[in-house]
Amino acid sequence: DAGVIQSPRHEVTEMGQEVTLRCKPISGHDYLFWYRQTMMRGLELLIYFNNNVPIDDSGMPEDRFSAKMPNASFSTLKIQPSEPRDSAVYFCASSLGRGRLFFGSGTQLSVL
Amino acid sequence: DQQVKQNSPSLSVQEGRISILNCDYTNSMFDYFLWYKKYPAEGPTFLISISSIKDKNEDGRFTVFLNKSAKHLSLHIVPSQPGDSAVYFCAASPLGSGTYKYIFGTGTRLKVLA
Repeated sequence: DAGVIQSPRHEVTEMGQEVTLRCKPISGHDYLFWYRQTMMRGLELLIYFNNNVPIDDSGMPEDRFSAKMPNASFSTLKIQPSEPRDSAVYFCASSLGRGRLFFGSGTQLSVL
Repeated sequence: DQQVKQNSPSLSVQEGRISILNCDYTNSMFDYFLWYKKYPAEGPTFLISISSIKDKNEDGRFTVFLNKSAKHLSLHIVPSQPGDSAVYFCAASPLGSGTYKYIFGTGTRLKVLA
């Protein structure tokens, strides 16, 4: 099992640009989560899906952030336009039922 | 407001001694708790969990204690090893409420000195 796969590992962009982060969950998992890690807030839940349907997006900071899950094996988190304060590590995680979360290696985003 | 708090950003312990990492929560609906370990440039990995029907769970060198009245949990690592040096996150979820959300703390960086 390859685990949760995230791409890219690192993203450096300029303020105002669109950023798209990608995630492939573990095959068979029915829950997918997007988290953001910062020093001040730790691991912050942004949104989660169940069977490809967004269940709770209350953690999405503002309308500049959007997430989709078009099928069971792929999800994207998009930031448009990006701002320097969006710089953080973004993690995707998946789980089978209400079990423990399996995390990807994360995407280090730097917005200049 | 932070519903799950890890008030110690860092901790240093001598190899072979006990490491105690603490976590406090504010939401009385939380009924399932987990600890994750994170190495640099890697995603967090699951370490140990505990349900609110228990007050202790052990797995090898790792033990988690839950004090529901104090809304406090702790992770004990005995004996500590240099390979345990990592950032530890506690997480909580109100699984019984029908909501499936894991709320994480800010993490504690553990350094085990050889």
